[in-house]
Amino acid sequence: RKEVEQDPGPFNVPEGATVAFNCTYSNSASQSFFWYRQDCRKEPKLLMSVYSSGNEDGRFTAQLNRASQYISLLIRDSKLSDSATYLCVVNMPKSNTGKLIFGQGTTLQVKP
Amino acid sequence: DTEVTQTPKHLVMGMTNKKSLKCEQHMGHRAMYWYKQKAKKPPELMFVYSYEKLSINESVPSRFSPECPNSSLLNLHLHALQPEDSALYLCASSPGTSGRDTQYFGPGTRLTVL
Repeated sequence: RKEVEQDPGPFNVPEGATVAFNCTYSNSASQSFFWYRQDCRKEPKLLMSVYSSGNEDGRFTAQLNRASQYISLLIRDSKLSDSATYLCVVNMPKSNTGKLIFGQGTTLQVKP
Repeated sequence: DTEVTQTPKHLVMGMTNKKSLKCEQHMGHRAMYWYKQKAKKPPELMFVYSYEKLSINESVPSRFSPECPNSSLLNLHLHALQPEDSALYLCASSPGTSGRDTQYFGPGTRLTVL
């Protein structure tokens, strides 16, 4: 089993749609969770850190379910500019090494 | 300002060349990283520097040699590379190396080895 698993997609959705990405992680000791966005041929950029209580930033909502070891990202009212790869990232548990574990990424294509 | 800069943006080199990649941040971060990313794959960690000391080397071949001259700068020296080393090389920095520290990535250097 991969340490962080994501559905690679691609997810093809029309503008205005709501889309949800899921991510599972294997180590229950993981403490920090992030969603990064990566545009084609660009660097990953932090979209959101994911907190236990869930958090929202405009059209984006992230949820964490520790019992199921599951993280989600919900995008409402999709825009063409949301087209990108979304990386689920988890810290290496029980270490202060700075090591992160990346999922393979989920590709989103928003169509007009 | 969460900015990490990298130079050059693009680099083409032969297998016998020696070149260097440069990375700079002025956020006062004490941890800096080199990653390698191939197409359609997530970034792979190569090296971690913490307080200017190399703390992690992920079994990277010796033809890649990192250097941290000071807390703001990180270099990656390249020598005798192979065509399969062609990739996007990303630098990142974070305040520290705790699990809660967010990493910020530079725009990367796209390297082609002929």
